[in-house]
Amino acid sequence: RKEVEQDPGPFNVPEGATVAFNCTYSNSASQSFFWYRQDCRKEPKLLMSVYSSGNEDGRFTAQLNRASQYISLLIRDSKLSDSATYLCVVNEDDMRFGAGTRLTVKP
Amino acid sequence: DTAVSQTPKYLVTQMGNDKSIKCEQNLGHDTMYWYKQDSKKFLKIMFSYNNKELIINETVPNRFSPKSPDKAHLNLHINSLELGDSAVYFCASSQEAGGYGYTFGSGTRLTVV
Repeated sequence: RKEVEQDPGPFNVPEGATVAFNCTYSNSASQSFFWYRQDCRKEPKLLMSVYSSGNEDGRFTAQLNRASQYISLLIRDSKLSDSATYLCVVNEDDMRFGAGTRLTVKP
Repeated sequence: DTAVSQTPKYLVTQMGNDKSIKCEQNLGHDTMYWYKQDSKKFLKIMFSYNNKELIINETVPNRFSPKSPDKAHLNLHINSLELGDSAVYFCASSQEAGGYGYTFGSGTRLTVV
């Protein structure tokens, strides 16, 4: 079983749509959680951390459910510039990355 | 100033050759990493160094040898390159091992022909 599993995607949505990505992790001792964004042929960049109480950053909302070992990312009012691959990341002794979910926002 | 810089950006080489990729960070971070991203885009850790000491060495062929001359540098040497080594290799750094957020270099796209 993979350590970090994500929706395989791809997600193709119109501008203005709301889209949600899910992620599960296998190690219950994992301490911290993140969402990274990776544009085509670029390096991954930190999008936001995920806190137990849930957290929001503008149009982005992240949720964590430790009991179910589940993380989510919600994007509201999608923009064309949101098109990218979103990587779920779980911190054990080092950062373990999911395979990513590709999002394409269309006009 | 680039925070984490890798060279070269692109590397095309023949099977059997030996090549090196260099990485430097100017963030003052204690920990550096090498990740491999294959054609399926899956990012997998290869090595982690904390203050010049190896702390993670995942199952990687021993043709891959990391070297950290100081905590700001982590180089990757690859012997006897194989077709399956073709991938994008990312260097990253963080303040502490497994610390809050990683800063990645822009990647080295290695193609073995």
